[in-house]
Amino acid sequence: EAQVTQNPRYLITVTGKKLTVTCSQNMNHEYMSWYRQDPGLGLRQIYYSMNVEVTDKGDVPEGYKVSRKEKRNFPLILESPSPNQTSLYFCASSLRVTGVGDQPQHFGDGTRLSIL
Amino acid sequence: KNQVEQSPQSLIILEGKNCTLQCNYTVSPFSNLRWYKQDTGRGPVSLTIMTFSENTKSNGRYTATLDADTKQSSLHITASQLSDSASYICVVTVTGGGNKLTFGTGTQLKVEL
Repeated sequence: EAQVTQNPRYLITVTGKKLTVTCSQNMNHEYMSWYRQDPGLGLRQIYYSMNVEVTDKGDVPEGYKVSRKEKRNFPLILESPSPNQTSLYFCASSLRVTGVGDQPQHFGDGTRLSIL
Repeated sequence: KNQVEQSPQSLIILEGKNCTLQCNYTVSPFSNLRWYKQDTGRGPVSLTIMTFSENTKSNGRYTATLDADTKQSSLHITASQLSDSASYICVVTVTGGGNKLTFGTGTQLKVEL
């Protein structure tokens, strides 16, 4: 089954404790992206990747890191999490790099992070 | 500034009734507009895409319209079902600059018996 898998689905942690949210897709998609979703603000892009070893900042990259060493994986790293990073996070992938909006993004089911 | 605004913010309708959700955008230059449905606890799923030259497109009981001149799109749901209860998100693609996506904040639809 074609899917985007995120782990963990839920995480409660404390300020400053490094964490990684994994994202894996099995559709051989070039484009992958991370979003955070907050009430009243909708989905905001954190980072995206056009292909292996190619990443770029989205609208809200501060406090986050990503890497794209393999095509299927795109982990999101919070080196020193803070309470304002408490949010619902989504990973997404799509087929083509050019005309990224032309292809639907396939989203994972989300990771709910609570930073205390 | 490129923006996508959706209305209403939330909506409650009775099962079997029709409804229309609105999306206004100021994105330029425009490439396409896509509607997503997001069920509670799940990621968004694409419903339909509208390009500049298209006025209307249907996907089952969902019909999207686009007026590129007034920069407005609507999503019409016919004969609503309980399973239509979800958030509906409008996403507009900006041409060039990496094809940036601009997201609306969504309309929360609840269908009741």
